Amino acid sequence: QKEVEQNSGPLSVPEGAIASLNCTYSDRGSQSFFWYRQYSGKSPELIMSIYSNGDKEDGRFTAQLNKASQYVSLLIRDSQPSDSATYLCAVPYNNNDMRFGAGTRLTVKP
Amino acid sequence: KAGVTQTPRYLIKTRGQQVTLSCSPISGHRSVSWYQQTPGQGLQFLFEYFSETQRNKGNFPGRFSGRQFSNSRSEMNVSTLELGDSALYLCASSLVMLGTDTQYFGPGTRLTVL
Repeated sequence: QKEVEQNSGPLSVPEGAIASLNCTYSDRGSQSFFWYRQYSGKSPELIMSIYSNGDKEDGRFTAQLNKASQYVSLLIRDSQPSDSATYLCAVPYNNNDMRFGAGTRLTVKP
Repeated sequence: KAGVTQTPRYLIKTRGQQVTLSCSPISGHRSVSWYQQTPGQGLQFLFEYFSETQRNKGNFPGRFSGRQFSNSRSEMNVSTLELGDSALYLCASSLVMLGTDTQYFGPGTRLTVL
């Protein structure tokens, strides 16, 4: 079992819709979780971090964490074409040894 | 505040050569982590340096090495290059207040091995 798994994608949503990205992790002791966005040909850019069970909102983005289910998700409301990118879920394994999922490619169609 | 910088941005080498990549972290950040990104394997952790010491190491052969200087700048070296080393090499810096901190990525170095 991979340490961090994400929807295989690709995911396509119309402009204005909600995009839902999911991630599961294997280490039950994990305490922090990160979502990065990566545009084609660019480096990963931090979107959000979440540490506690529940929801964390930042603008159009909402991260949801359920440690009992070992599940973290990212919702993007009012999706825009500029949100089209690959979204990476990351979970630290040991200090700053970050384990990444394979990423979910999101396309937002105008 | 300036972000993470990496040099060079692009590099072309031939098999058997060696290469050194450089990373300057965000001012005040003390930890530098290196990652390799390929289409097949995704983002994989190479190693992390903190206060000039390697704190963590991923599952890569000994041909991959690194170091960190007193100003927190870090270098990564790959010796005896193989075709499979072609990848985007990313460094990420973090402040290190607690064990794990938010990592901020540099633009990467695209290495092509011919």
